[in-house]
Amino acid sequence: QVQLVQSGSELKKPGASVKVSCKASGYTFTTQAMIWLRQAPGQGLEWMGWITTNTGNPTYAQGFRGRFVFSLDTSVSTAYLQISSLKAEDTAVYYCARFSMVQGVIVGIGNWGQGTLVTVSS
Amino acid sequence: QPVLTQPPSASASLGASVTLTCTLSSGYSNYKVDWYQQRPGKGPRFVMRVGTGGIVGSKGDGIPDRFSVLGSGLNRYLTINNIQEEDESDYHCGTDYGSGSNFVYVFGTGTKVTVL
Repeated sequence: QVQLVQSGSELKKPGASVKVSCKASGYTFTTQAMIWLRQAPGQGLEWMGWITTNTGNPTYAQGFRGRFVFSLDTSVSTAYLQISSLKAEDTAVYYCARFSMVQGVIVGIGNWGQGTLVTVSS
Repeated sequence: QPVLTQPPSASASLGASVTLTCTLSSGYSNYKVDWYQQRPGKGPRFVMRVGTGGIVGSKGDGIPDRFSVLGSGLNRYLTINNIQEEDESDYHCGTDYGSGSNFVYVFGTGTKVTVL
């Protein structure tokens, strides 16, 4: 079955960087984009964007351009989210996920990682 | 792009029913909406997709039969019948919009369901 396993919680100081990993299994990694979402404490879900896993082309939602970088290592079926110049407001749970597709049509976000809590505090 | 509106909270007594509403902004009445359940301290899980014709495709893995959906006009409903303690969760709705580099996925603010 499809599994997305993320790296563990991180505690970082303001101005530092963090890299979150998301290891996929149970399907051919390069057949479907990896998407990233954020959930700040007590808040709703936020779309960050996606990266195509066959070409490595990232697309970032507004508000996530500049300090946020999506990348891949297809040899180990792993996607990464790197955040630089961390701010307190970056404190959140970050999820990798994958759309479910039926005949090329999106039918929801069917697979989610367990989430990675990134805490930014001095 | 569409905006999804959800009431912040809902409640129901154990064994009763509750209906959650996700309202699309004007002009998006043909859009389908996805429902997600998020139990306390856990990640979201897909419940099902709904359009004006009702469920689209299949329910998510392990979603009980007591969960059902309807769609009418700008509203997309998720009903939980015979609500159980394990249904106490945040419920989020979302929808996809656009294509290519303009593709976005939009979420409502979520509804917290309390089982009394």
